[in-house]
Amino acid sequence: GEDVEQSLFLSVREGDSSVINCTYTDSSSTYLYWYKQEPGAGLQLLTYIFSNMDMKQDQRLTVLLNKKDKHLSLRIADTQTGDSAIYFCAESKSGGFKTIFGAGTRLFVKA
Amino acid sequence: GAGVSQSPSNKVTEKGKDVELRCDPISGHTALYWYRQSLGQGLEFLIYFQGNSAPDKSGLPSDRFSAERTGGSVSTLTIQRTQQEDSAVYLCASSLGAASLYNEQFFGPGTRLTVL
Repeated sequence: GEDVEQSLFLSVREGDSSVINCTYTDSSSTYLYWYKQEPGAGLQLLTYIFSNMDMKQDQRLTVLLNKKDKHLSLRIADTQTGDSAIYFCAESKSGGFKTIFGAGTRLFVKA
Repeated sequence: GAGVSQSPSNKVTEKGKDVELRCDPISGHTALYWYRQSLGQGLEFLIYFQGNSAPDKSGLPSDRFSAERTGGSVSTLTIQRTQQEDSAVYLCASSLGAASLYNEQFFGPGTRLTVL
């Protein structure tokens, strides 16, 4: 079946790096996503990675994909208080419309 | 252009009453989704619509839940005979659907439903 799992909480100090981890079960997943949800708002796509890639970097964000272990991670460099939010891992298949979301990891950034 | 909008932003109702939640997707988006977000439960898929195809209702938790999408645009999620366990934030999202290989979904701000 399809399942996406991630830890529920992460706390880091401002200026440190944050690493949020996710595992998924569907080996046929083609696209993997990280969404961010700020308080009182809907989710917003941060970045995505295609399954034939190992890494994707976008400014302070680095996504690592280990397809063999079905493990996805999001690294945020120089974490700021504005990064405090819930981060959702998700997966879908190419051309597919159904996206499976994890439960979300709540990131706390201490000043 | 405008994003996904939802109304009302907050709804308080009494147990046993029916409620209707509305979603206006981004113009031109053919796919529309409803999710439920409960505290500590993450994002629960409810239903999605894609163009003129039959909707995927596999996530609806009971027959008290139904949804419509009129004219391929606005959608209404109806919950009949509400129960306290229906209290949650209901999120709507839309996407380009078949026009895009990867499925970026654009979310509305949600409707917070409280059943007393």
